[in-house]
Amino acid sequence: QKEVEQDPGPLSVPEGAIVSLNCTYSNSAFQYFMWYRQYSRKGPELLMYTYSSGNKEDGRFTAQVDKSSKYISLFIRDSQPSDSATYLCAMSARRGSTLGRLYFGRGTQLTVWP
Amino acid sequence: DSGVTQTPKHLITATGQRVTLRCSPRSGDLSVYWYQQSLDQGLQFLIQYYNGEERAKGNILERFSAQQFPDLHSELNLSSLELGDSALYFCASSVEGGGAVNEQFFGPGTRLTVL
Repeated sequence: QKEVEQDPGPLSVPEGAIVSLNCTYSNSAFQYFMWYRQYSRKGPELLMYTYSSGNKEDGRFTAQVDKSSKYISLFIRDSQPSDSATYLCAMSARRGSTLGRLYFGRGTQLTVWP
Repeated sequence: DSGVTQTPKHLITATGQRVTLRCSPRSGDLSVYWYQQSLDQGLQFLIQYYNGEERAKGNILERFSAQQFPDLHSELNLSSLELGDSALYFCASSVEGGGAVNEQFFGPGTRLTVL
């Protein structure tokens, strides 16, 4: 079993839709959770990160972490064609214990059509 | 632009050959990470260097090696190449050497094709 599981999609939605992207994980030591966005032919870029359980909002993006279920989500409201990309979740354990290593999901490919 | 540079952008070579991928981290970043991204495996962590020293190892094959030089640039050497090594290779850098919350900035990647 991989440390981080993510449905690769693809996911196709109309402009303006609410998008829900999810990952599950098996390592209960993970406490830092990140979402990266990767456009075609580009390197991943950090979109959001959260620590431990709870929600974090940044504009149209909301990240949720449920550590009891080992489940994290990224919601995109009022999705735009420019949001079309691959979204990768990533996570790591406590400061110092993993020496900075991130564990990535496989990524979900999202297309938002006008 | 993340500030991380990688060369070359594309590399086409034959099985059995050896190649070197180069990465220059963002100014001030001491850590360099190498990742391999393929369609079937996703983004796989290979190895991390911090200020010239190997810090963490992931799924790196014995045919692969890396180093970080005093000027902090890093090279990933891939030898005895196989068809299955065809992938995108990303370098990332961060300020911190360890710790969980260190934003990693990714370069544009090197696309390796082994024929």
